[in-house]
Amino acid sequence: DAGVIQSPRHEVTEMGQEVTLRCKPISGHNSLFWYRQTMMRGLELLIYFNNNVPIDDSGMPEDRFSAKMPNASFSTLKIQPSEPRDSAVYFCASSLAGVNEQFFGPGTRLTVL
Amino acid sequence: DQQVKQNSPSLSVQEGRISILNCDYTNSMFDYFLWYKKYPAEGPTFLISISSIKDKNEDGRFTVFLNKSAKHLSLHIVPSQPGDSAVYFCAARFGTNAGKSTFGDGTTLTVKP
Repeated sequence: DAGVIQSPRHEVTEMGQEVTLRCKPISGHNSLFWYRQTMMRGLELLIYFNNNVPIDDSGMPEDRFSAKMPNASFSTLKIQPSEPRDSAVYFCASSLAGVNEQFFGPGTRLTVL
Repeated sequence: DQQVKQNSPSLSVQEGRISILNCDYTNSMFDYFLWYKKYPAEGPTFLISISSIKDKNEDGRFTVFLNKSAKHLSLHIVPSQPGDSAVYFCAARFGTNAGKSTFGDGTTLTVKP
């Protein structure tokens, strides 16, 4: 299995631009999570899906952030417009419902200038 | 309110000695605890876990201890190896939010040869 796949691995953009991060979970996993890691706030959960349905988006910082999961094999996290304080590493993780362990992707390092 | 805390940002030990990483939590509803290990430029990977009905779980060189009365858990690595050098995250979850885990800020372990 290829594991959780995230793209791009690195993204550098200018303030005000739209950013879209992509994630392909492990085949067969039905829970998907988006995390953000920063020095100040550590690893924080932004949103998670069960069976493609958003369950808890209380961690999404602002309306500029949105996430979708159109099918079981793909999810996106969009930031529009992006700001310098959005600079962070964004991780996607997946798991089987009822299983505690989550499998993380390699992350996308986002830099907003 | 940070519900999962790792108060030591870093820890340095000599190869062959014991490494003890600590984690405190505030929410007594947490019923499952996990440790993840993270190398630079990679996503966290699951290491070991423990249910709240147990006080110890062992897997090779890694042992997790849970003290529910103190709301404290610890990860012991014996003997420590240079390859164990990484960031270790403690995570906790409870059944009503199956899959959703709350992470600590992480402890950077350095094992010196």
